[in-house]
Amino acid sequence: QLQLQESGPGLVKPSETLSLTCTVSGGSISSNKYYWGWIRQPPGKGLEWIGSIYFSGITYHNPSLKSRVTMFVDTSKNQFSLEVSSVTAADTAVYYCARRPPSGGMDVWGQGTTVTVSS
Amino acid sequence: QSALTQPPSASGSPGQSVTISCTGTSSDVGGDNFVSWYQQHPGKAPKLMIYEVRKRPSGVPDRFSGSKSGNTASLTVSGLQAEDEADYYCCSYAGNNIFVFGTGTKVTVL
Repeated sequence: QLQLQESGPGLVKPSETLSLTCTVSGGSISSNKYYWGWIRQPPGKGLEWIGSIYFSGITYHNPSLKSRVTMFVDTSKNQFSLEVSSVTAADTAVYYCARRPPSGGMDVWGQGTTVTVSS
Repeated sequence: QSALTQPPSASGSPGQSVTISCTGTSSDVGGDNFVSWYQQHPGKAPKLMIYEVRKRPSGVPDRFSGSKSGNTASLTVSGLQAEDEADYYCCSYAGNNIFVFGTGTKVTVL
C-alpha cells in the first residue's frame, strides 16, 4: 500500500528558505502514471495547491507562488522535495504531499507536517 | 488563480441530504471534467471522495455523488451520517497542469 511521509524543519526564520521532503514507500515515484504534488493549509484556513512534479523533473506551479517555489525529485531515494524561498508568516501552514493520477484527483496523501515561520 | 467559491457552511439532520456547490469559471470548473472533492476531518489529511466530477474511488460510499452544470460543480451527501460532519473542498483543473481548490464548506450534522 502506497504511503507518503513529509519531513523537514518545523520552524523556519523569516526571509529564509523552507525545505520539505516527501518520502514515497510501497510504490515507485518513477511510475509514468502519476504526478507528485504539494498542498498547504494555513491555520484555520482552506487548502492551497502549491505545485506538482513528474518523475522526469517537469514541474508545474501555482502562479501566485511560482517565483519562490522550487521542486525536485530524487528517484534514487524515492523522494520529492519542496523549497519555498523568502518565507514570511503567511507561509506558516500544514504542508501535505500527495499523489495525483492523470484524472486530477489526489488519491494518496501524507499526514502533513506543520511549518511555522517565526524568528 | 482565484479560489473556487463554496458556501462556508451547510447542515442537515441524520438521514437527510446536503448539497455543496463549487463555482468557478469557464477556465477551470467549466473547462473540463477534472473536478474532485475532498473530505477533511479536524487534524487529518484530506481524503479524496469524488474525481472527474462524478466518479467515486474504491471504498467511498455511494451516498456521495458529484455533478456539474456549466461553471458550477456540486457534491451531494445523501443519508447523512454523524461521520459525514467534516470540511469539504472542491478542486478543479485550471489548464496548463495547474489546479485550484475551493474555499471549503463545513458540513454539520444536526
